[in-house]
Amino acid sequence: EVQLVESGGGLVQPGSPLKLSCAASGFTFSSNWLNWIRQAPGKGLEWVASINPDGSSTYYPDTVKGRFVVSKDNAKNTGYLQMNNLRSEDTAMYYCARAYDGTPSWFAYWGQGTLVTVSS
Amino acid sequence: DIQMTQSPSSLPASLGERVTISCRASQGISNNLNWYQQKPDGTIKPLIYYTSNLQSGVPSRFSGSGSGTDYSLTISSLEPEDFAMYYCQQDASFPTFGAGTKLELK
Repeated sequence: EVQLVESGGGLVQPGSPLKLSCAASGFTFSSNWLNWIRQAPGKGLEWVASINPDGSSTYYPDTVKGRFVVSKDNAKNTGYLQMNNLRSEDTAMYYCARAYDGTPSWFAYWGQGTLVTVSS
Repeated sequence: DIQMTQSPSSLPASLGERVTISCRASQGISNNLNWYQQKPDGTIKPLIYYTSNLQSGVPSRFSGSGSGTDYSLTISSLEPEDFAMYYCQQDASFPTFGAGTKLELK
């Protein structure tokens, strides 16, 4: 059974960094794209990062480009989202999602999310 | 970026009713359109990929259709567990989502 478990969320001050983790099991982690999607309180879903199976290519929307860095450790079956210079508008539930085999962004499996709150 | 316009934002409906949710892309997306269901506890479940393909385990009362810029999700006969939020998402380019439709009990 595919499982994705996010961790690392919490309350941080504006301008602070925070690193999220996504522990994966039940599939060959090195074979699939990994994505991060967030949802601000009461709002819709927003894609924030993608990384290809071997970790050599990453993609971001303009809203986080230059501040967020996605990575994956295929030996540890874990993905990461390093978030720097956090802003209040980054407050959201952050989900990691595994793409379907051979696709970058059909999000076939989702974790339960980890909550990030940016506030002074 | 491709913008996704989803409608309606809220859809009151009754058990057993047939409902349709629409999604329009700002440009053609060549059937690269997916649908997701989100329950109040935050759990997100993929429903349909590439316009009309049901994810494994999704009941057959769910169906998807469309082409070009216009797509839709239809639930043929509402069950209690179907009342939730629904989102469309395109992956023809960097992924973007519709704003969501809240399917609620009338």
